[in-house]
Amino acid sequence: DILMTQSPSSLTVSAGEKVTMSCKSSQSLLASGNQNNYLAWHQQKPGRSPKMLIIWASTRVSGVPDRFIGSGSGTDFTLTINSVQAEDLAVYYCQQSYSAPWTFGGGTKLEIK
Amino acid sequence: QVQLQQPGAELVKPGASVKLSCKASGYTFTSYWMHWVKQRPGQGLEWIGEIDPSDSYTNYNQKFKGKATLTVDKSSSTAYMQLSSLTSEDSAVYYCARGGLGLHWGQGTLVTVSA
Repeated sequence: DILMTQSPSSLTVSAGEKVTMSCKSSQSLLASGNQNNYLAWHQQKPGRSPKMLIIWASTRVSGVPDRFIGSGSGTDFTLTINSVQAEDLAVYYCQQSYSAPWTFGGGTKLEIK
Repeated sequence: QVQLQQPGAELVKPGASVKLSCKASGYTFTSYWMHWVKQRPGQGLEWIGEIDPSDSYTNYNQKFKGKATLTVDKSSSTAYMQLSSLTSEDSAVYYCARGGLGLHWGQGTLVTVSA
């Protein structure tokens, strides 16, 4: 199974600040055929179901604010939130769909001061 | 608009089985795989498996083989997951999620295993 490791496990920032969180996979998620990274980011707000934010490591899903930016390739990925808003309070999960079983990182909990 | 309707909660006794439903609407049911994901209280996400509604082909996480059984009813655009021999370790929220480009999540069903 591909192991997904997220860091930090939690972070606290003030509204308006920039946040960066990391996701590392135990093997490359880059498909040689189409050059896509099979890495997605999901946001789970308290008491809610997860919501997909980003697919292919860097493509925002329709309707997701452009302050959410995904980057990286291979085994190292980053989710950046520019100018964090109070509504961004949530746990963020990375998830690989390169090979079954699909696996998730342990999550990064974002708290707002 | 993709919608996945799941019951809010199920209370089941230890040793029993439960069949969870996920009714899909807003898209062609047979065109996208359906996934199931487990989340224990305060914990992360575990992928249980997936089913192709067009032919009922399934892939399971080895960890959930023998525990979960995925099926579909194409006539009602509904996916099902049966969980068997339930214990307290099975108490969790279970999400269905449509595949395709990423995962589109349902609201989840809270399963509580208690006597």
